[in-house]
Amino acid sequence: QVQLQESGPGLVKPSETLSLTCSVSGGSVTSGSYYWSWIRQPPGKGLEWIGYIYDSGSTNYNPSLKSRVTISVDTSKNQFSLKLSSVTAADTAVYYCARGTGTTFAWGQGTLVTVSS
Amino acid sequence: QSALTQPASVSGSPGQSITISCTGTSSDVGNYNLVSWYQHHPGKAPKLMIYEVSKRPSGISNRFSGSKSGNTASLTIYGLQAEDEADYFCCSYAGSSTSWVFGGGTKVTVL
Repeated sequence: QVQLQESGPGLVKPSETLSLTCSVSGGSVTSGSYYWSWIRQPPGKGLEWIGYIYDSGSTNYNPSLKSRVTISVDTSKNQFSLKLSSVTAADTAVYYCARGTGTTFAWGQGTLVTVSS
Repeated sequence: QSALTQPASVSGSPGQSITISCTGTSSDVGNYNLVSWYQHHPGKAPKLMIYEVSKRPSGISNRFSGSKSGNTASLTIYGLQAEDEADYFCCSYAGSSTSWVFGGGTKVTVL
């Protein structure tokens, strides 16, 4: 059974770049047909899909975040990563990594990232 | 504001049945039979309860049932138990650009 674990700084300054890593166990990020995804939930609000990387290279991002988001894979470490640039307080959220199949997600526990000076 | 609309809270007594609605649009819920439901205890990984509108993963109690009518999907919990107390959220595929949209979550309280 796949397990995912997010890691990264819990505090990021405004205008800087948020960087998170998702470590995958019980499965390989090179496995085909999976959408290695990032999803976030701001405090008191609903979940928002950020984007995914598929087949170790193809990416798709939420149009509302596309100009600031990069998702990449490190196959040697069996990890995938999120970079979100030029952050503001509105980017404060619990960030989840997940493995999508097209119909379902397997999720990590999430990590809170606060944007504040 | 979430893309899919859910009630903020639903409650019921043990043994009762409750239904959580998830309302979207003809671009997501109404257009694809790709609605899933997750149970979420804060601080833990969300757990898949229903996928493809009405299918249950292995190991999920048949007390959980999903359905869809038009742009609204529903999750019904039959024979409510104390262990069902959690947040529940829905998810729908929304096409190749937007990909997935989610509900705001519903807190289920067992009285």
